[in-house]
Amino acid sequence: GAVVSQHPSRVICKSGTSVKIECRSLDFQATTMFWYRQFPKKSLMLMATSNEGSKATYEQGVEKDKFLINHASLTLSTLTVTSAHPEDSSFYICSARLSGQGDYGYTFGSGTRLTVV
Amino acid sequence: SQQGEEDPQALSIQEGENATMNCSYKTSINNLQWYRQNSGRGLVHLILIRSNEREKHSGRLRVTLDTSKKSSSLLITASRAADTASYFCATDRESYIPTFGRGTSLIVHP
Repeated sequence: GAVVSQHPSRVICKSGTSVKIECRSLDFQATTMFWYRQFPKKSLMLMATSNEGSKATYEQGVEKDKFLINHASLTLSTLTVTSAHPEDSSFYICSARLSGQGDYGYTFGSGTRLTVV
Repeated sequence: SQQGEEDPQALSIQEGENATMNCSYKTSINNLQWYRQNSGRGLVHLILIRSNEREKHSGRLRVTLDTSKKSSSLLITASRAADTASYFCATDRESYIPTFGRGTSLIVHP
């Protein structure tokens, strides 16, 4: 089945530094990937839709200069948290959908726990 | 904004009992999906029900959909301790972007 690999699973960084999170579709091509942020005991908040070869579409209230998304190939999307601050600490999850697989929903990465100290 | 809202927020049962979770949504949908999330992990797709379907089964899972009430339910029969997780419903907005509710935290006591 469709597999999405997300890396790293955990990262601790200092305030002011940037962190890159990778999301790869391993056995399928994903023209569209989604990035979510999840706070403890909260729902997943859609941050942006990543489109291969074009600019990402950001949800209202998400700073595009803060959360840089690049979808340079059909199998890789990256989220870079720039100049990270402690309030950016969260669980970030990517997902993709295998086109044509109508009954399989979306495939999610295993998530990245970001802690900014 | 949230589209799906699960109810209850938390559910605690004994192994062997059935667990029922509900999801309500606000706008019309293409389909509704249920996902499971173990603590600190990504989401795992459980089942998808289309807007023209009323009930669907997958193993110990039974999902119903009532589009007139804009609600869905997930039933887990004969629960096991390994079913302990958070369960989310998601609906496809326009352009097939999934929107999630807050989830139901299920604890199954052995």
